[in-house]
Parts: sequence; structure tokens; C-alpha cells
Amino acid sequence: GAGVSQSPSNKVTEKGKDVELRCDPISGHTALYWYRQSLGQGLEFLIYFQGNSAPDKSGLPSDRFSAERTGGSVSTLTIQRTQQEDSAVYLCASSFSSGSGREQFFGPGTRLTVL
Amino acid sequence: DQQVKQNSPSLSVQEGRISILNCDYTNSMFDYFLWYKKYPAEGPTFLISISSIKDKNEDGRFTVFLNKSAKHLSLHIVPSQPGDSAVYFCAAISTSGTYKYIFGTGTRLKVLA
Repeated sequence: GAGVSQSPSNKVTEKGKDVELRCDPISGHTALYWYRQSLGQGLEFLIYFQGNSAPDKSGLPSDRFSAERTGGSVSTLTIQRTQQEDSAVYLCASSFSSGSGREQFFGPGTRLTVL
Repeated sequence: DQQVKQNSPSLSVQEGRISILNCDYTNSMFDYFLWYKKYPAEGPTFLISISSIKDKNEDGRFTVFLNKSAKHLSLHIVPSQPGDSAVYFCAAISTSGTYKYIFGTGTRLKVLA
């Protein structure tokens, strides 16, 4: 079965432009997470979707960041008016929300470079 | 406020010896803990987990120990192999909460041949 996929794998953009990052979770996983990893840093939680519940947006660093999850499947993370400090690897993960399968499955990430 | 801490950013171990990676947490509501391994240019992959009702979980060369009173967990790799060289993250969640995983900052393990 397919794992979590993310696109694009790399994105270079100019400061001030908007970018969209896509995540396709594993089929059947109801939970979807976005993280980012800046150079030399750990995984920073951004946002969490669980089924039809309101997302937990507590990790979004500013109002320039937003995310959607359509139909309980694909998710898009949008960064508006990108800044150089947004440069990082953005990771998406999905998981079952209950039972024994609590581990997250991560995609390969999108490396974003803001010039 | 770093709720999950990995205080050693790097660790070097000789092939065949034991690698011990440590993780401390502050939130007593955490009741499930996981270790992930990450190679460069790849997403993290799940390694092993432990519930707070246990103090040890073993899977092949990997063993995770949990000391709830000290709010400390550790990952032991025996014997260490060069292919184990990677960044290791510990993560914690409260299963009575929203399944929001909190990750540590990672420890880079280098196994020397």
C-alpha cells in the first residue's frame, strides 16, 4: 500500500510569494498532522486534523499560515507572503486516531527555500 | 516550554556496542511514548513505542525503558550497527487528549565501524 506522499519535494520561492504544500495521507487514517523542521531544529508541531472535528491550529506560527483538509483526506498547507524564516522542511504525517495503531507515518517532506 | 527534551544533540558509539539515547518529559499527562528514526532527506519512521502502564518494551535490538517517577525514557540499541546512524526523536502523547504528539529536538547517533 502507498505511504504518505507530499508534493512538491522541493520548492524555491521568492520572499513575499504564496506557496501551497500538499499532503496525501494513508487511506483510512483519520488523523493528519503538519510539522516543520528548521535547520538544526527538532520537529515543530503546526496543525492537527482529526476526522470532522475542528483542527488544532495551536502550532501555526502566524496568520500567514493556514491549512485545509478536504473530504477527510488530502491536506494543503498554505503560507502567504513567505519570509526567509519560513525556510524549512515541512513534514506531513497521518495515523489512526485510536486503538493500537498510534504511530504516525510520515511523508518524505517538502523542502521550502525562501530567497 | 519544551515538554519533551533530548539533552544530547549527538552521540558516537563504536559498532557492536550499546547505544543509549535519553529523553525527559515534563507533562505528567503523557501516557504513550514513541521513538522515531530519521535519515537525511527522508521523513521520520516509527521505531518502537511504550505505554505508561509498562516500564519496558523490547523489539529485536531495540529496547525502550520508561521511568515514570523520573519522567524519563531511554532507547537502547544493542548491538549498534553503522546503519543505525541517524537522528532519533522521542515523542509523547496524552491518549485522553487530542493525540497531539510532542517531539523532542532529536539526537544524532553516529555508529563508527
